[in-house]
Amino acid sequence: KNEVEQSPQNLTAQEGEFITINCSYSVGISALHWLQQHPGGGIVSLFMLSSGKKKHGRLIATINIQEKHSSLHITASHPRDSAVYICAVFIITGNQFYFGTGTSLTVIP
Amino acid sequence: EPEVTQTPSHQVTQMGQEVILRCVPISNHLYFYWYRQILGQKVEFLVSFYNNEISEKSEIFDDQFSVERPDGSNFTLKIRSTKLEDSAMYFCASRKSVWDSNSPLHFGNGTRLTVT
Repeated sequence: KNEVEQSPQNLTAQEGEFITINCSYSVGISALHWLQQHPGGGIVSLFMLSSGKKKHGRLIATINIQEKHSSLHITASHPRDSAVYICAVFIITGNQFYFGTGTSLTVIP
Repeated sequence: EPEVTQTPSHQVTQMGQEVILRCVPISNHLYFYWYRQILGQKVEFLVSFYNNEISEKSEIFDDQFSVERPDGSNFTLKIRSTKLEDSAMYFCASRKSVWDSNSPLHFGNGTRLTVT
């Protein structure tokens, strides 16, 4: 069974700070998903990656397949970034995603 | 941008009743999923569906659960006899391809099921 661990579980930052959220997993995967869940509950896809690095606006996601580790970075954080960030890994043989417990981010003005 | 739609947004039902949660995936997507999230807990996989059949299901997805794609657009999750512990947010998701690592999951806004 694949375990997906995220750290930290909770994070409070001042507006403008650089933020890093980490995700580690235990078995080989086909791809990794970073998701954002807002207080209302809706889940939005941020990135899907299987190698290297992706950037979208102030968000950067990296993955190291050999080390089974991914990071999500937020530059110049803003209160509207406050949400739960979830890492999910995809294993193609089972056609399913395994989800981490999420990192709850609060950005204070 | 096309999106996954779920109805209803909130469903309250009595224990033992049947509920059907409805989803309309994105039209050119081929892979469909149901997930649930109990309040305060992580998202859990229930079932994946492809080519009109279940491709994988979790241990949560017991005989009380079933899925259907009755008309080529809707994708439904039925719980035959609800239990208190079925209370959760249920998310439908779809994906265009499992072979393309750039093909993300698209989630609906969820149905909050409350069993009393």
